[in-house]
Amino acid sequence: DAGITQSPRHKVTETGTPVTLRCHQTENHRYMYWYRQDPGHGLRLIHYSYGVKDTDKGEVSDGYSVSRSKTEDFLLTLESATSSQTSVYFCAAGGANTEAFFGQGTRLTVV
Amino acid sequence: ILNVEQSPQSLHVQEGDSTNFTCSFPSSNFYALHWYRWETAKSPEALFVMTLNGDEKKKGRISATLNTKEGYSYLYIKGSQPEDSATYLCALPKLIFGSGTRLLVRP
Repeated sequence: DAGITQSPRHKVTETGTPVTLRCHQTENHRYMYWYRQDPGHGLRLIHYSYGVKDTDKGEVSDGYSVSRSKTEDFLLTLESATSSQTSVYFCAAGGANTEAFFGQGTRLTVV
Repeated sequence: ILNVEQSPQSLHVQEGDSTNFTCSFPSSNFYALHWYRWETAKSPEALFVMTLNGDEKKKGRISATLNTKEGYSYLYIKGSQPEDSATYLCALPKLIFGSGTRLLVRP
């Protein structure tokens, strides 16, 4: 996993509740990313960060927010979870002109 | 947002066959192109990061070429093996991925 840890690995939550997923890296990568994986859609970029407190939207950012207060941590928050946000979420660090490393994924189920 | 396009969407080959697939991208303001391999139930893993026009990179039986002027990259697999079965993804910086090419190698 090259120092990329996602937590939790699995979560079941109820519709309307807030949820925060954490991505932690130990390699001091500048860039970090959050993706969701859905059948028929591959990997879709939710948000990315290009430094502490510098974040931007990706392809599917509606309903999600992110924060990066430290280089090593990139948090993804679902303010009010919906069933359409049931997915597997992947975090990555690195990229631009170097390879990116992915976390193990977080399976989120919204019931 | 700059997107890449990959073709074909899926490919079924026999063990021992050589195969290739394509990643197309906007040729203006090129910076780098990434290739990743994604096995089912695992996380994507980097294969190559390509930055120079005419670049050719190789890792075992897998190689890739890059043409930045016309906006495409080819990924080649020589003598496909069942363990090569995976989805192969390409991406530009910001790591917005294409839909991938799903490769299935039959024994």
